[in-house]
Amino acid sequence: GAGVSQTPSNKVTEKGKYVELRCDPISGHTALYWYRQSLGQGPEFLIYFQGTGAADDSGLPNDRFFAVRPEGSVSTLKIQRTERGDSAVYLCASSLGTTQYFGPGTRLTVL
Amino acid sequence: SQQGEEDPQALSIQEGENATMNCSYKTSINNLQWYRQNSGRGLVHLILIRSNEREKHSGRLRVTLDTSKKSSSLLITASRAADTASYFCATDAPGNQFYFGTGTSLTVIP
Repeated sequence: GAGVSQTPSNKVTEKGKYVELRCDPISGHTALYWYRQSLGQGPEFLIYFQGTGAADDSGLPNDRFFAVRPEGSVSTLKIQRTERGDSAVYLCASSLGTTQYFGPGTRLTVL
Repeated sequence: SQQGEEDPQALSIQEGENATMNCSYKTSINNLQWYRQNSGRGLVHLILIRSNEREKHSGRLRVTLDTSKKSSSLLITASRAADTASYFCATDAPGNQFYFGTGTSLTVIP
């Protein structure tokens, strides 16, 4: 079956702009996670959804970051007033149990 | 912040040799998992070991867990060039957060 997909695969934007990153989880997976990974580092937890609600958003770095999952399937990570430090690969994962299945990521570059 | 740390940060071996990488973590866990990542993109799940298990095997992979030392090791036997990748351990935490380590970059030389 289809795995986790993320769009776009690459996004280049200018400092101060707004961006949206999309994640399509594996069908039927109730849990969805967002991570951010900088070069040479491991993925850093951002937010976790169980169904439509954000069960844990403690990893969001500040209020410029927001994520939604209105119907319990597709999720969108939204970043306002982007900064150069936001440049990273944003990874999405979904799961039914303990094992998380990752998408290929979106590489965000803020110029 | 990340809970786990992998050791070594980088490892280079000849094809056919065994590769061992270690992971240390800070708090109590339910499970520990190892993931592999190629080219800085999506991660692939390799193996899960529960906190009440001490050793687990899957093909050429062997994972050990020592909860008293808060550490785990991943052994890849008879390495192949295709094993070249970054390897991360991930621990779960209360609230279902996942904490990843900093990773070990493995290079297998043909």
